[in-house]
Amino acid sequence: QVRLQESGPGLVKPSQTLSLICTVSGGSISNGDFYWSWVRQHPERGLEWIGYIYYTGTTYDNPSLRSRISMSADTSKNHFSLRLSSVTAADTAVYYCARIQAAAGHFDYWGQGTLVTVSS
Amino acid sequence: QSVLTQPPSVSAAPGQKVTISCSGSSSNIRNNYVSWYQQLPGTAPKLLIYENNKRPSGIPDRFSGSKSGTSATLGITGLQTGDEADYYCETWDRSLGAGVFGGGTKLTVL
Repeated sequence: QVRLQESGPGLVKPSQTLSLICTVSGGSISNGDFYWSWVRQHPERGLEWIGYIYYTGTTYDNPSLRSRISMSADTSKNHFSLRLSSVTAADTAVYYCARIQAAAGHFDYWGQGTLVTVSS
Repeated sequence: QSVLTQPPSVSAAPGQKVTISCSGSSSNIRNNYVSWYQQLPGTAPKLLIYENNKRPSGIPDRFSGSKSGTSATLGITGLQTGDEADYYCETWDRSLGAGVFGGGTKLTVL
């Protein structure tokens, strides 16, 4: 059974960089059948697609966030990460990591999510 | 404002049937697979339907999906109180160059 687990600071100051890691167990992020992605959910609101990374290091991100996003993958540790720079209160959200089936594009496994609050 | 439009809420009695619509455009739903997710309170989304109408292992056949043109529909029959959740549609939008979710629909089982 594939499991994904987000980790990182729950509180980030405005203008700083949000950094999260998603550790994958029960499967390898080097498997070319999948993309490894991030989705966020603002409080009491819907889901927002952030982006994904392939094991080769290729990334694809939401154009609305592109200038602030950086994603990477560490196949030796079987985890991938998200960095979002210059954060504001509008970036306060629950951040989920999820696996995408590359052939069809759907999210088949999700982490439990981690709340990141941007506040001074 | 979401690119994909869903009704904010739907409701029905236990045992009844409900449908949830997801309206998009030619840049998203018409030319891409649609998937549906169930989000129970306080939990992560869970895949219900993929490739428009396929169910993952473990999802009961009470849940169904369909797509026609620029719209997709999630159907749930034999409603149970445990089905109370938020439901989201999702697809790729080639104009935006990003994945897009609907705004979500809150299902209440009266």
